[in-house]
Amino acid sequence: EPEVTQTPSHQVTQMGQEVILRCVPISNHLYFYWYRQILGQKVEFLVSFYNNEISEKSEIFDDQFSVERPDGSNFTLKIRSTKLEDSAMYFCASGRWGQGPDTQYFGPGTRLTVL
Amino acid sequence: ELKVEQNPLFLSMQEGKNYTIYCNYSTTSDRLYWYRQDPGKSLESLFVLLSNGAVKQEGRLMASLDTKARLSTLHITAAVHDLSATYFCAGNSNFGNEKLTFGTGTRLTIIP
Repeated sequence: EPEVTQTPSHQVTQMGQEVILRCVPISNHLYFYWYRQILGQKVEFLVSFYNNEISEKSEIFDDQFSVERPDGSNFTLKIRSTKLEDSAMYFCASGRWGQGPDTQYFGPGTRLTVL
Repeated sequence: ELKVEQNPLFLSMQEGKNYTIYCNYSTTSDRLYWYRQDPGKSLESLFVLLSNGAVKQEGRLMASLDTKARLSTLHITAAVHDLSATYFCAGNSNFGNEKLTFGTGTRLTIIP
């Protein structure tokens, strides 16, 4: 069964460093998302991406964040200058929509630790 | 803006018992989703509820949706240990974008 994959599974970085989190969505999906979950808290929406552009972003997704779909398969989240409060689990998700009842399929997540 | 609330936040129940998790949402939501999350793991889709009165069942879990009351429930029948997890409901208020707004989650622990 197709699944969303993410790399790395765990990333440790120093405050102020740039990180890139990578995702490979399910191949026939057209909508892509990033969410994050701070330890013990609920899942929060960051950004949605469709047709090679951001369709919606949350207040969390400030100028330090960017997303890109550099080729036909990868979807990346870049944090330019990490802060301690960026430490969280980051989930990528993808969905088809417009083709009947569906849901968002989540990847396994990348645990980001900012020291 | 859509807000989603769940209760209870924590739930310990004995094996074999029945219980219900409640999910209230503040404004119209096109769809209502239930996800399961095991510790340190990702979110596994359980149910997508599309319309008022929708009911879906999978094993010991049954989800329902009342759009007039803005309420969804996840009912657990004859709980078993394997059901121990955190359960999240989520809604979306912008059909076509499908941004999900999650509830706070219910951490369910099944005690033998």
